[in-house]
Amino acid sequence: SQTIHQWPATLVQPVGSPLSLECTVEGTSNPNLYWYRQAAGRGLQLLFYSVGIGQISSEVPQNLSASRPQDRQFILSSKKLLLSDSGFYLCAWRQPTGAQYFGPGTRLLVL
Amino acid sequence: KQEVTQIPAALSVPEGENLVLNCSFTDSAIYNLQWFRQDPGKGLTSLLLIQSSQREQTSGRLNASLDKSSGRSTLYIAASQPGDSATYLCAVQGGSEKLVFGKGTKLTVNP
Repeated sequence: SQTIHQWPATLVQPVGSPLSLECTVEGTSNPNLYWYRQAAGRGLQLLFYSVGIGQISSEVPQNLSASRPQDRQFILSSKKLLLSDSGFYLCAWRQPTGAQYFGPGTRLLVL
Repeated sequence: KQEVTQIPAALSVPEGENLVLNCSFTDSAIYNLQWFRQDPGKGLTSLLLIQSSQREQTSGRLNASLDKSSGRSTLYIAASQPGDSATYLCAVQGGSEKLVFGKGTKLTVNP
């Protein structure tokens, strides 16, 4: 069966510091991968998606970037965090049926 | 631009009651609609996926319907239990990789 992992689970970072969040998927090959952010009082917002190694599409221009160095690894990064980057970051993968399955999330607090 | 609305925003019911959660979307050109549940501080759990050609899907005590032409979906929960307490999210996928989410309905089932 497929499993999706995210780490760290929780992160507290100062403004201006770098960020690296990691997502890995097990039990499937060449999955479509997604990064979402869920901010307090707002719905989930798609940030990036990837249909293959090195292929990244950005949905919202912002302070963040994504990379996919391996088939089942998706990384969300920032060079300098802003207060507005605080939120709950969720990674997901998509089955051929279209169903998306989500990881446990990373809660990021920027102070 | 696709918009997804979920009503009510919050719902409190006694244990054992049957209930309906509503989801509406503005653009009927969708590929699929997915219902999720989210427990506090956790990731999303996929409940049901309805393809655009389908009218409903069932899983245990859950039944989701889709009326694409009117832009509506309902999630029916039979014989509700305290363990059903969570936020329920509806999301639609249109012509891109993007899932558009509603803001959710927070359900509380009181013992």
